[in-house]
Amino acid sequence: DTGVSQNPRHKITKRGQNVTFRCDPISEHNRLYWYRQTLGQGPEFLTYFQNEAQLEKSRLLSDRFSAERPKGSFSTLEIQRTEQGDSAMYLCASSPDNCGQPQHFGDGTRLSIL
Amino acid sequence: AQKVTQAQTEISVVEKEDVTLDCVYETRDTTYYLFWYKQPPSGELVFLIRRNSFDEQNEISGRYSWNFQKSTSSFNFTITASQVVDSAVYFCALIPCGGSNYKLTFGKGTLLTVNP
Repeated sequence: DTGVSQNPRHKITKRGQNVTFRCDPISEHNRLYWYRQTLGQGPEFLTYFQNEAQLEKSRLLSDRFSAERPKGSFSTLEIQRTEQGDSAMYLCASSPDNCGQPQHFGDGTRLSIL
Repeated sequence: AQKVTQAQTEISVVEKEDVTLDCVYETRDTTYYLFWYKQPPSGELVFLIRRNSFDEQNEISGRYSWNFQKSTSSFNFTITASQVVDSAVYFCALIPCGGSNYKLTFGKGTLLTVNP
């Protein structure tokens, strides 16, 4: 069990550019989640996968955001035409199927928009 | 909809003091889980403890203990004999076991500073 891995750890980009983040979950976990955390706040849910199926998307996830989990393994989160308000920590988590199983988080990717 | 409130924004203690972090929650689900996570300056959220809604027995695990009271919708977390390494932001979170049994709802966190 190597834990949830995210990369890059930090991303600095200019407004208007596209960015993509990657998450490798714990291998035996079927569920994968993306959260966003801004300064002084708790993480907020963005989206969730059960294996390769994206089952829920928050209204926080505008049409500039897209997430995929091909083959039910790693996941990518892409933000197109980045805006200043996209600056945040993007956290990935994974868990087994059963309700109440703790979600295990990666170190996150900190996005800064210049 | 779920809601988690952590009224304490910041707490500062001296090493070896006991400290209790408060958490109050709202949910209409009858079955749910409550969690405490720790986020040190490095940024990774670390799972600490969980409690399901049917088990109000309070427990102790090492220096950690928790007090779950369904009647007051509270899930407080205590660190005994605090250490400098306990300095972090602590988040209380809830997940319902009904329709949205995938989405953790977090409080805003309590910044704990343990001074030597």
